[in-house]
Amino acid sequence: EVQLLESGGGLVRPGGSLRLSCAASGFTFSSYAMTWVRQAPGKGLEWVSFISNGGGSTYYADSVQGRFTISRDNSKNTLYLQMNSLRAEDTAVYFCAKKTDQQEFDFWGQGTLVTVSS
Amino acid sequence: QSALTQPRSVSGSPGQSVTISCTGTSSDVGDYNYVSWYQQHPGKAPKLMIYDVSMRPSGIADRFSGSKSDNTASLTISGLQAEDEADYYCCSYAGSYTWVFGGGTKLTVL
Repeated sequence: EVQLLESGGGLVRPGGSLRLSCAASGFTFSSYAMTWVRQAPGKGLEWVSFISNGGGSTYYADSVQGRFTISRDNSKNTLYLQMNSLRAEDTAVYFCAKKTDQQEFDFWGQGTLVTVSS
Repeated sequence: QSALTQPRSVSGSPGQSVTISCTGTSSDVGDYNYVSWYQQHPGKAPKLMIYDVSMRPSGIADRFSGSKSDNTASLTISGLQAEDEADYYCCSYAGSYTWVFGGGTKLTVL
């Protein structure tokens, strides 16, 4: 059974940093690209970042480019999102999701809440 | 990277059919046959319902179907059931390993 478990969320002040983790199990993690998607309170889904299966290619939404860094450790079956220079508008539940061989996301974690507030 | 446009809400009675539209541009929906649809119940993770415009993952009822015409994709749910009440999001590949989601549609089963 595929499982994705996010952690690392919490309350952080504007300008601060946070690192999210996503522990994967139930599939060959190193074979699949992964992504982060976020959802602000009461709002819709927003794609945040993508990383290839080997970690060599990364892409970001314009809203986080230059502030967020996605990475992965295939030896630990774990995906990361380093978030720096956080802003109030980054407040959201952050989901990690497994990308299929096509262009969709077939398994999602339950999410971790990040709150940016003074 | 502007969000795809979905109606804020739709509703239908049990047994009826509803269609949710998703309008993008020639750079996303209109350029790729990579539109997917996700169902999200309150407080839960999104669930993949349709991929590649009209394909259903294993385990998804054939009451759910998808289509696309030009820059607009659609999700149709037939034979509405109470458990279909949820938020639905469309998503399109937008090239260069970027994706764009719709704003979401709240489906109410009357």
